[in-house]
Amino acid sequence: EVQLVESGGGVVRPGGSLRLSCAASGFTFDDYGMSWVRQAPGKGLEWVSGINWNGGSTGYADSVKGRFTISRDNAKNSLYLQMNSLRAEDTALYHCARVGLGDYENYMDVWGKGTTVTVSS
Amino acid sequence: DIQMTQSPSSLSASVGDRVTITCRASQGISNYLAWYQQKPGKVPKLLIYAASTLQSGVPSRFSGSGSGTDFTLTISSLQPEDVATYYCQKYNSAPITFGQGTRLEIK
Repeated sequence: EVQLVESGGGVVRPGGSLRLSCAASGFTFDDYGMSWVRQAPGKGLEWVSGINWNGGSTGYADSVKGRFTISRDNAKNSLYLQMNSLRAEDTALYHCARVGLGDYENYMDVWGKGTTVTVSS
Repeated sequence: DIQMTQSPSSLSASVGDRVTITCRASQGISNYLAWYQQKPGKVPKLLIYAASTLQSGVPSRFSGSGSGTDFTLTISSLQPEDVATYYCQKYNSAPITFGQGTRLEIK
């Protein structure tokens, strides 16, 4: 079964850091690009960041550029999101998603259930 | 950056109705458009990609059309299980962007 399981969310103070992880199984992880997509409470979907199959190409939303870093470890079938300088507006459910073959600029056909990040003092 | 605008923001229709949701891109994106369905409390589900290609397992009452800047998602005969929020997404280049969503309810 193709599966994505996120972890690492929690409550953090403004200015703090968190590292999210996404464990992939059931498919050849290093064939695919991957993305992080977030959804603030009661709001729509917002793409956060994407990475291609080998980590050589990455992209970020303007809202997180310079604060978040996406990475992957294909040997561990894992995707990561390092989040620094967190703000209240980063509060959301963070999903990892499988993207198209190779690249991250594609549609998302498999989604994890997400991990919740709350930024509050 | 290219903006994606969906209309309407919400709609209510009866079972069996034909429902159409529109998505407009602020610049041309060829056919690099996907549609997702998100039921309450659930994870988004891919319905259509490349503007008109139905994802495997998705009922045939769902269809997509369009190219360039104007796209539509059509449900040919609305079913009770179609109650959800629908999002379009453009993916021709980063940043990837979603429309604001259309909430669909049963009348």
